Amino acid sequence: EVQLVESGGGLEQPGRSLRLSCTISGFIFGDYAMTWVRQAPGKGLEWVGFIKSKSYGGTTEYAASVKGRFIISRDDSKNIAYLQMNSLKAEDTAVYYCSRVLSSSYVIDYWGQGTLVTVSS
Amino acid sequence: DIQMTQSPSSLSASVGDRVTITCRASQSFSSYFNWYQQKPGKAPKLLIYGVSSLQSGVPSRFSGSRSGTDFILTISSLQPEDFATYYCQQNFRDPWTFGQGTKVEV
Repeated sequence: EVQLVESGGGLEQPGRSLRLSCTISGFIFGDYAMTWVRQAPGKGLEWVGFIKSKSYGGTTEYAASVKGRFIISRDDSKNIAYLQMNSLKAEDTAVYYCSRVLSSSYVIDYWGQGTLVTVSS
Repeated sequence: DIQMTQSPSSLSASVGDRVTITCRASQSFSSYFNWYQQKPGKAPKLLIYGVSSLQSGVPSRFSGSRSGTDFILTISSLQPEDFATYYCQQNFRDPWTFGQGTKVEV
């Protein structure tokens, strides 16, 4: 069974940093790209960024709203994807979902349950 | 960026109704378009990918199609478990973008 479990969310002050982790099981992590999508309270879905699988170069892309502040990485030996969030802003408050992406078609086919990040002083 | 304009933002329907939701793209592309269903407090779930391909395990009452820059999700006969919010999404070009969502209510 495919499972993605996010962790690391919580309350953080503006300007500070937070790192989210996404631990996967039930599939070969290295075969897939991974993406992060967020959802502010009561709002719609916003794509944050993705990281390709190593066989597709392992490169990353980001939304303009987080580019230069957020970094997505992966550790294929541990089956974990990361979202490093720096210089946090109040508008980064959201549930953050880690999701699996098919490397050939870039379809987001499985989602984690999400972790809430609240940025507030 | 490719903007996805989804309509309506909400709709009221009854069990057994045929429901259609439309997403209009700001640029033309033929594939790399998906539909997701989200229930309150839950993660989104993939329904349709590549415009019209049904994800494994999704009931056949869900279908997707395209007409020009309009992408359409159809639920042929609404069931009680279908009351949810539906999002369209393009993964044709970075940044991937979602529609604003359509809430299907009783």
